[in-house]
Amino acid sequence: SQQGEEDPQALSIQEGENATMNCSYKTSINNLQWYRQNSGRGLVHLILIRSNEREKHSGRLRVTLDTSKKSSSLLITASRAADTASYFCATENTNAGKSTFGDGTTLTVKP
Amino acid sequence: DTEVTQTPKHLVMGMTNKKSLKCEQHMGHRAMYWYKQKAKKPPELMFVYSYEKLSINESVPSRFSPECPNSSLLNLHLHALQPEDSALYLCASSPHPTTGTDTQYFGPGTRLTVL
Repeated sequence: SQQGEEDPQALSIQEGENATMNCSYKTSINNLQWYRQNSGRGLVHLILIRSNEREKHSGRLRVTLDTSKKSSSLLITASRAADTASYFCATENTNAGKSTFGDGTTLTVKP
Repeated sequence: DTEVTQTPKHLVMGMTNKKSLKCEQHMGHRAMYWYKQKAKKPPELMFVYSYEKLSINESVPSRFSPECPNSSLLNLHLHALQPEDSALYLCASSPHPTTGTDTQYFGPGTRLTVL
């Protein structure tokens, strides 16, 4: 099955709440990246975490990586209506030379 | 200049038409990518160019023909497409081919409709 499966598929929260999305993968990776996509637009890179890192922060974003469980999580704190978008994880596999995207989580933040 | 541009934004074509999608970046990136994305699905990799040479072809049908004329330009030539090829076509670039640490920079995409 597909590398990079995400859950939940859809998440709806109120503004100000935190949003957590998870990504699981199957093979060894060099790094894992999170991207955001507003409806019908291109993807925007949010954060990259390398396979030897466990946690990374960028502004309101916090990403964790557990290579033993082959999983990652993206936490968005104090969400805003403008955070409404689809969020994808992408894994760069060792020996593959390419990234594979997960199925994505659609986040709706209600004002 | 830190963006990837794609033209056209929208394209409607018949199954007998020949058209081309264009992608351009001026960030000095040496890897460029074409992805296909259907509604509510993740992007699917089609082709990768590394140093202007085709390095990955994900078993894409021959009705899609990529071309990389120089390090800044990437084209996707379309011929005899099927309605199921209707999708958002995304171009991306990254600084170094396959170093394992590269961020990909995406263009806004071309929304293709095949009638």
